[in-house]
Amino acid sequence: DQQVKQNSPSLSVQEGRISILNCDYTNSMFDYFLWYKKYPAEGPTFLISISSIKDKNEDGRFTVFLNKSAKHLSLHIVPSQPGDSAVYFCAASPYSGNTPLVFGKGTRLSVIA
Amino acid sequence: DTAVSQTPKYLVTQMGNDKSIKCEQNLGHDTMYWYKQDSKKFLKIMFSYNNKELIINETVPNRFSPKSPDKAHLNLHINSLELGDSAVYFCASREGLHPNTGELFFGEGSRLTVL
Repeated sequence: DQQVKQNSPSLSVQEGRISILNCDYTNSMFDYFLWYKKYPAEGPTFLISISSIKDKNEDGRFTVFLNKSAKHLSLHIVPSQPGDSAVYFCAASPYSGNTPLVFGKGTRLSVIA
Repeated sequence: DTAVSQTPKYLVTQMGNDKSIKCEQNLGHDTMYWYKQDSKKFLKIMFSYNNKELIINETVPNRFSPKSPDKAHLNLHINSLELGDSAVYFCASREGLHPNTGELFFGEGSRLTVL
């Protein structure tokens, strides 16, 4: 039962262009969403989050968009840089309570110079 | 200075053996977790502890026994290892139990291979 789905296992983008990573969720109790970035042989690191009271959150080159009615969120990276090449995990949970973060399978982003 | 550290980073062992993975965080967080990333790449929660108390046990076989001697440490002991236990195990910590207390900090992972 995949409550958080990242349907694209990989994505290749030219340096300087926009990278768009997508994530869908099925659990309507989820109201807090995060993106984590993972380099090989390292643990995931937090990138950006959004709660359901917003539909957009921006941090530098990274913007997360949330469409609650579609149960869909996306991460935009503009402009993409070679150092952004990593696996990106979408995660979700209720904002309060003990429910742990539920992660998607990740999308491997390759930014080509 | 590593915030969440796990040892060992790599572990290769035979079926039926017992092994432990240790985790320590120096962030002063109250809550610690074990996640498993299997061959299908999902990061799945196994356990969470808050101030040494078990909070979540996500239908993990009882061959897996977490131990938290203090709130800075959460060790994972696995008995009678099976082939399906091969995975990368990630320890993580967070300031508090609830998501609104901040993000998870992960260790580098411990890759367990059972032969």
